Amino acid sequence: GQQLNQSPQSMFIQEGEDVSMNCTSSSIFNTWLWYKQDPGEGPVLLIALYKAGELTSNGRLTAQFGITRKDSFLNISASIPSDVGIYFCAGRKRIGGGADGLTFGKGTHLIIQP
Amino acid sequence: GAGVSQSPSNKVTEKGKDVELRCDPISGHTALYWYRQSLGQGLEFLIYFQGNSAPDKSGLPSDRFSAERTGGSVSTLTIQRTQQEDSAVYLCASSSTGRNEKLFFGSGTQLSVL
Repeated sequence: GQQLNQSPQSMFIQEGEDVSMNCTSSSIFNTWLWYKQDPGEGPVLLIALYKAGELTSNGRLTAQFGITRKDSFLNISASIPSDVGIYFCAGRKRIGGGADGLTFGKGTHLIIQP
Repeated sequence: GAGVSQSPSNKVTEKGKDVELRCDPISGHTALYWYRQSLGQGLEFLIYFQGNSAPDKSGLPSDRFSAERTGGSVSTLTIQRTQQEDSAVYLCASSSTGRNEKLFFGSGTQLSVL
């Protein structure tokens, strides 16, 4: 199946630091989604991107849909303890429904050190 | 309900036994997905239901896995003759159809096969 390379696999940061993570693929995607998963919970959608070059913010989170349509990044500014969790990228190859159109990365574990 | 509901939240079973996992999607959502999340791994697609269409079963790992969706709402994922490698979190998600399709996840069922 399609592969999304998500990096880094984990991050150990200090509270207040900025965070950056990304996903790359050899395939073109029409949609990029970023999810966050808290322990014991299902992933929750943070940001959805639909156009190449699109830059979207949600509070302290900013995500961009790469121009080549093969990558996306997520930035978190001024991290706080509740940012801890696993962040997943997901790419969709076609607009609309279809399970085979959605591929998830393996996640980035964000750990904030006191 | 307000969100996707899954039950049980935890299931411990003995190798060789059958298990049933239940998912109640968001009311009105026509699309329903099952994913498997193993420790340290991303989300592995299992099966997808869309309205009255035949389900996309392309992600089911073996014929021991099956799922049904009754009345276009509640879904049950059944694993027969469970094996230790079936131990994982099983996540259900639902979505409404449309161009900007987004997944809403339940909290998952943690399955442990002893």
